[in-house]
Amino acid sequence: QQQVKQSPQSLIVQKGGISIINCAYENTAFDYFPWYQQFPGKGPALLIAIRPDVSEKKEGRFTISFNKSAKQFSLHIMDSQPGDSATYFCAASMTSGGSYIPTFGRGTSLIVHP
Amino acid sequence: NAGVTQTPKFRVLKTGQSMTLLCAQDMNHEYMYWYRQDPGMGLRLIHYSVGEGTTAKGEVPDGYNVSRLKKQNFLLGLESAAPSQTSVYFCASSYSQGAPAYEQYFGPGTRLTVT
Repeated sequence: QQQVKQSPQSLIVQKGGISIINCAYENTAFDYFPWYQQFPGKGPALLIAIRPDVSEKKEGRFTISFNKSAKQFSLHIMDSQPGDSATYFCAASMTSGGSYIPTFGRGTSLIVHP
Repeated sequence: NAGVTQTPKFRVLKTGQSMTLLCAQDMNHEYMYWYRQDPGMGLRLIHYSVGEGTTAKGEVPDGYNVSRLKKQNFLLGLESAAPSQTSVYFCASSYSQGAPAYEQYFGPGTRLTVT
């Protein structure tokens, strides 16, 4: 059973457009939701993260929106640039109770055309 | 700080051969993890360790063994490689005083091909 479902699997956006990646989770005990960015040939790196006590977090062009009642969260990349082309993973974990290990979504391959 | 390093970067094995992948971190992290990444499957946890001398199974542990003899190193072993183990392997680490356990730092990966 996939605990974190991510969509779409791939996404093509024109330069300057908005990229949106969605994730849904099942376990209501999750209380930390990070996004990782992975460039080709590299390991994933933490991009931005949110806790369920806020509905939105913004860092530069990257915004996480969180809907606790729907158990969904999404990554928005504003003014998408070719340098944003990468694979993005959402994840969910519990910060207490021992199960801190993140559960990852299957990833979204983003291509931003110049 | 080098962060998380992995050795080797690439390897080709024949079916039945064995090998060990080495992960090293210089951040004094308590927790270390091994993942495999396959197209369309995301990151799947193989084994992990919450401290020196301890290991535990993850989601896909079959065919792999691990050891954490030193805090900074986490070894992943394949005793008898199979073509199904062709993948990119990532090591990650987390948790030291002041840094939360749920923020992971990844190595650059090892691309393994089993023929």
